[in-house]
Amino acid sequence: AQSVTQPDIHITVSEGASLELRCNYSYGATPYLFWYVQSPGQGLQLLLKYFSGDTLVQGIKGFEAEFKRSQSSFNLRKPSVHWSDAAEYFCAVCSRSSNTGKLIFGQGTTLQVKP
Amino acid sequence: NAGVMQNPRHLVRRRGQEARLRCSPMKGHSHVYWYRQLPEEGLKFMVYLQKENIIDESGMPKERFSAEFPKEGPSILRIQQVVRGDSAAYFCASSPPVVHVQETQYFGPGTRLLVL
Repeated sequence: AQSVTQPDIHITVSEGASLELRCNYSYGATPYLFWYVQSPGQGLQLLLKYFSGDTLVQGIKGFEAEFKRSQSSFNLRKPSVHWSDAAEYFCAVCSRSSNTGKLIFGQGTTLQVKP
Repeated sequence: NAGVMQNPRHLVRRRGQEARLRCSPMKGHSHVYWYRQLPEEGLKFMVYLQKENIIDESGMPKERFSAEFPKEGPSILRIQQVVRGDSAAYFCASSPPVVHVQETQYFGPGTRLLVL
């Protein structure tokens, strides 16, 4: 079955430290890949997406993600975390052969930022 | 250009009542998706609609749940005879009419339903 796994439920980092959030997917073929961020009580905001081409994708707010086909991974990174980055992060995929575009989400990773 | 609008933002219902959740897509968007987020979980796809058509309802519970997206007006997600297990955040997303349905979805702020 198609699935998305975010192995880390909670992560705490110090402000200014680097960040990496993991995402692995299980799919028949490489899907489209997304990272969303959800602040408390808010909706989801798209950080970045990978459709094709360069496997290192730049997003908003200084985030980037790298697609690694051999590892079925799409990890999110940021070199220096800001306190305002504290939120919940969701990795999501969509099948390339989908005729509906529905997204399959991981369970989410809650990021806490220490001063 | 206003984003995706959802109302109400919070909804409290007693068991057995009906819940109606509304979603107005972004201007120019004709595709609407509904997702449900149960406590401590990720979002789960429920239904995908285009104007006046349900395209994919594979994620909708078989009973009590229905969705529509009329020619005029917002998309409505209706839950009849609510139970405590329906308590969740319900998110709507919209996307523009494009060749590839994998176009970016823009999410609304969600409706948080609490069933007492």
